[in-house]
Amino acid sequence: GAGVSQSPSNKVTEKGKDVELRCDPISGHTALYWYRQSLGQGLEFLIYFQGNSAPDKSGLPSDRFSAERTGGSVSTLTIQRTQQEDSAVYLCASSLTRQANEKLFFGSGTQLSVL
Amino acid sequence: KNEVEQSPQNLTAQEGEFITINCSYSVGISALHWLQQHPGGGIVSLFMLSSGKKKHGRLIATINIQEKHSSLHITASHPRDSAVYICAAKETSGSRLTFGEGTQLTVNP
Repeated sequence: GAGVSQSPSNKVTEKGKDVELRCDPISGHTALYWYRQSLGQGLEFLIYFQGNSAPDKSGLPSDRFSAERTGGSVSTLTIQRTQQEDSAVYLCASSLTRQANEKLFFGSGTQLSVL
Repeated sequence: KNEVEQSPQNLTAQEGEFITINCSYSVGISALHWLQQHPGGGIVSLFMLSSGKKKHGRLIATINIQEKHSSLHITASHPRDSAVYICAAKETSGSRLTFGEGTQLTVNP
């Protein structure tokens, strides 16, 4: 596709339910990042995938959060037993490589609301 | 103290003014990104730089590695420049980006 695609754009769920958020990076991009932006707060790193290397999960806030990247392309971020504090915009970004000065391309995000 | 700090948090300017947004960081970095977040929420990467200066149209980004400081300048500002500008430091260890809190810029006609 032309850009990074995220789905759904909006998700409303009940506390305690599991949710899956999807990210389709730009074709050929080997690096994929997940970030979170809570209301009134800045962006927060969650997890990073680079090719076939083990992901950097150091930003995941709890073990309820997990992410996969299948076939080096599409990624899903799963939040189990959602809590109200999980409400945020979840952003995905990709870049061609993991080089430090590689340009990042962001998706439009998934607005998650946990009631 | 945040590892990446921006100033000012809010900035209101008149069309045509020269604008400067500052970013200071305390971690060792391999690169620094400037991002623009539009009112609708979309984020665009403006610059990534590891030394010196970059220019794109009316936007200029500079970085001083020794002083751990970067600036984003907008010349001849325009209302369409109104957005949140975020700096993000890519640490030399690992892959994470550490973000500043953002600067809300409003340019009035």
